[in-house]
Amino acid sequence: ETGVTQTPRHLVMGMTNKKSLKCEQHLGHNAMYWYKQSAKKPLELMFVYSLEERVENNSVPSRFSPECPNSSHLFLHLHTLQPEDSALYLCASSQDSGDYEQYFGPGTRLTVT
Amino acid sequence: AQKITQTQPGMFVQEKEAVTLDCTYDTSDQSYGLFWYKQPSSGEMIFLIYQGSYDEQNATEGRYSLNFQKARKSANLVISASQLGDSAMYFCAYDTGGFKTIFGAGTRLFVKA
Repeated sequence: ETGVTQTPRHLVMGMTNKKSLKCEQHLGHNAMYWYKQSAKKPLELMFVYSLEERVENNSVPSRFSPECPNSSHLFLHLHTLQPEDSALYLCASSQDSGDYEQYFGPGTRLTVT
Repeated sequence: AQKITQTQPGMFVQEKEAVTLDCTYDTSDQSYGLFWYKQPSSGEMIFLIYQGSYDEQNATEGRYSLNFQKARKSANLVISASQLGDSAMYFCAYDTGGFKTIFGAGTRLFVKA
């Protein structure tokens, strides 16, 4: 596989469930990102990892918990979510920080019921 | 704080014609980067073009060019010879060289046959 992959592509979960989103990049990049895209709102950066260390946490509620076990994998663990957390969650990677374009995965469409 | 503004929620263009998508930004930074991304209905974000604040020439990538006017703080995307496959959401983004990229609200482009 090439590029950035995300699984699952669609997820429906109840507010009491625990689930995880997975992102994998096959580009040899050092930085990985989680974004949230809600309807009618700009893309919101959630977390950034560089060389497996978290370098940015954009005031995200603790019910979202990221994990980066290695530079190729990024997880977003979800627990006790709210309906307003329903959104498209996009993973991205870039070579490093700075003026590098980000490569995005196809996203996971999350619905919280 | 930096801010990105895309004032056109939706745009129509006739196939084979050129279209300009507007983007303005507000910053006091001296060094920064500006990006444009395309998001088709599939949800994946695709990098199109990049302009550095110190680049003297406007960036071009195939049919995409960036009309960069630093004094006016604008970075408009010009798509020449529009194709039906260009119908998508287009996002302007700002990067200070760290990990934090700020995205605009997006412009939905419709290409008419």
